[in-house]
Amino acid sequence: RKEVEQDPGPFNVPEGATVAFNCTYSNSASQSFFWYRQDCRKEPKLLMSVYSSGNEDGRFTAQLNRASQYISLLIRDSKLSDSATYLCVVKVPGTYKYIFGTGTRLKVLA
Amino acid sequence: DADVTQTPRNRITKTGKRIMLECSQTKGHDRMYWYRQDPGLGLRLIYYSFDVKDINKGEISDGYSVSRQAQAKFSLSLESAIPNQTALYFCATSGFRDRDPRSYNEQFFGPGTRLTVL
Repeated sequence: RKEVEQDPGPFNVPEGATVAFNCTYSNSASQSFFWYRQDCRKEPKLLMSVYSSGNEDGRFTAQLNRASQYISLLIRDSKLSDSATYLCVVKVPGTYKYIFGTGTRLKVLA
Repeated sequence: DADVTQTPRNRITKTGKRIMLECSQTKGHDRMYWYRQDPGLGLRLIYYSFDVKDINKGEISDGYSVSRQAQAKFSLSLESAIPNQTALYFCATSGFRDRDPRSYNEQFFGPGTRLTVL
């Protein structure tokens, strides 16, 4: 099992739709999780940190399911500008290292 | 103005050449990182530094070296470039804020350097 695994997509959704992605992780001791957004050929930008059961920021909600070892990202009322690749990142417990997933590509269609 | 800058933004070089990628930041962060990104792979950590005197290897440090010239500057060198070092290279920083040690987890990335080794 990969340390961090994401469905590469693409997820093609119409504007205004709600879309969710999952990210599974292999280390059950992991405590710190992050979602980054990366536009094509540009730098990743932090979207959200998740340290407990979940986090919410406007249209974006992240939820952590420790029993099944996955985190999800829910985007409500999708905008064209949400089109990007979403990277799941898990901190390796007891270290200063972060494992990046390969990303899930989202396309929001007009 | 960008908080984290990288130079050059694009570079094409030949096998065996020495090349240096530079990273500068104005965020006042003490931690800096170098990653590479390859198609179909997640970002992988090459080196990281917590201050000028503290440099640590990441998961793929072979073939690379780094220098932390100042708190704001962190350079990555390829002593003898090879084609499988062709990749997109990112520098990142993180720092302490709001009295929350978890803030160190929040990494801010530079715009990247696209390196091609022929």
